[in-house]
Amino acid sequence: GENVEQHPSTLSVQEGDSAVIKCTYSDSASNYFPWYKQELGKRPQLIIDIRSNVGEKKDQRIAVTLNKTAKHFSLHITETQPEDSAVYFCAVHQGGGADGLTFGKGTHLIIQP
Amino acid sequence: DVKVTQSSRYLVKRTGEKVFLECVQDMDHENMFWYRQDPGLGLRLIYFSYDVKMKEKGDIPEGYSVSREKKERFSLILESASTNQTSMYLCASSFEWGQYFGPGTRLTVL
Repeated sequence: GENVEQHPSTLSVQEGDSAVIKCTYSDSASNYFPWYKQELGKRPQLIIDIRSNVGEKKDQRIAVTLNKTAKHFSLHITETQPEDSAVYFCAVHQGGGADGLTFGKGTHLIIQP
Repeated sequence: DVKVTQSSRYLVKRTGEKVFLECVQDMDHENMFWYRQDPGLGLRLIYFSYDVKMKEKGDIPEGYSVSREKKERFSLILESASTNQTSMYLCASSFEWGQYFGPGTRLTVL
């Protein structure tokens, strides 16, 4: 099955700086790559996603880049704010929309004031 | 706005009990999923369903079963609860790609 590695497990940045979280996957047939944000005690929320036919996608302060050749994708958050503090999960989807996701183990992002 | 609800936020059960976790979505989504979330392990897929009465095993189906009698409802069943099934259980639904999660049920098995 698919194997997803996510790094780092904890990331501490100063407010206003950028944060980058990286994920690698094993199955070259994987075709959809979402990112979820989970605040303490809350459900995971989809924040951005990218499909395999696109290299980069942006939504205000967040962006995702995908390198299919190297089988890795990254989440970039610019101008970080206190409300960005959360656990972020990358995920990978192998087949059609009906199949489940394989998740990374998560990154705890801490924004230092 | 997508709404996925789960029957309980917190549940405490005894070893050997049969446990039902219910999930309901109101967006007419075809696909529904059950995950469990454990510290340091992320979310792991237990079962999913792409249609009424259809089910597929995920990565960790052992000790669990599911039921999907209606499109909007997907139930997770622990036939005989064990202490290693103490976890946060998250339901999700999707139409095509992005999955939307319920609030989770924190299950403790004593």
